Amino acid sequence: DAGVIQSPRHEVTEMGQEVTLRCKPISGHDYLFWYRQTMMRGLELLIYFNNNVPIDDSGMPEDRFSAKMPNASFSTLKIQPSEPRDSAVYFCASRLQGTRTGANVLTFGAGSRLTVL
Amino acid sequence: DAKTTQPNSMESNEEEPVHLPCNHSTISGTDYIHWYRQLPSQGPEYVIHGLTSNVNNRMASLAIAEDRKSSTLILHRATLRDAAVYYCILRDSNFGNEKLTFGTGTRLTIIP
Repeated sequence: DAGVIQSPRHEVTEMGQEVTLRCKPISGHDYLFWYRQTMMRGLELLIYFNNNVPIDDSGMPEDRFSAKMPNASFSTLKIQPSEPRDSAVYFCASRLQGTRTGANVLTFGAGSRLTVL
Repeated sequence: DAKTTQPNSMESNEEEPVHLPCNHSTISGTDYIHWYRQLPSQGPEYVIHGLTSNVNNRMASLAIAEDRKSSTLILHRATLRDAAVYYCILRDSNFGNEKLTFGTGTRLTIIP
């Protein structure tokens, strides 16, 4: 298994540009999570999906952020327009819903480092 | 969510055991205790989890206090590759609560 695959690994863009981050979860996993990590705020959950349906997007900072999961093997996180304060590492994670909910573990991707100038 | 408290940082000598503490005095009966670690420039990775009994796996051991208000992650023989930020997280087992909330963790430094 190749694990959770994220792209791009690094993105440098200018303020106002659209940014799209991509994630391929582990095959068969039915939950997908998007996290953001900054020095100031640590790891924050932005949104998560179950069976391709967004369940909780209360962590999405504002309307400039949107996430989609058109099928079980692909998700995107889009920022439009981007701002310097969006600079962070964005992680995607997936997991399988088992019978013991509390025991289920996440597998994270390597992250996408975004720099907005 | 019930919160956890961890020391900000710890140091340990290479090839010695490391005991990473975590306090979770408000833990509920349905909360699992999870540990993740984040190596430099990588995403977090799962280490171990438990509910009531002590647990062992190839990476570490988890010792859970009898009252479950604290736990300790034990690395039996630390190597330089164990230098990371270690997160202690409570995971509600009630279906529908899928959030895994990370705190600030403990930054472990291994001294050669």
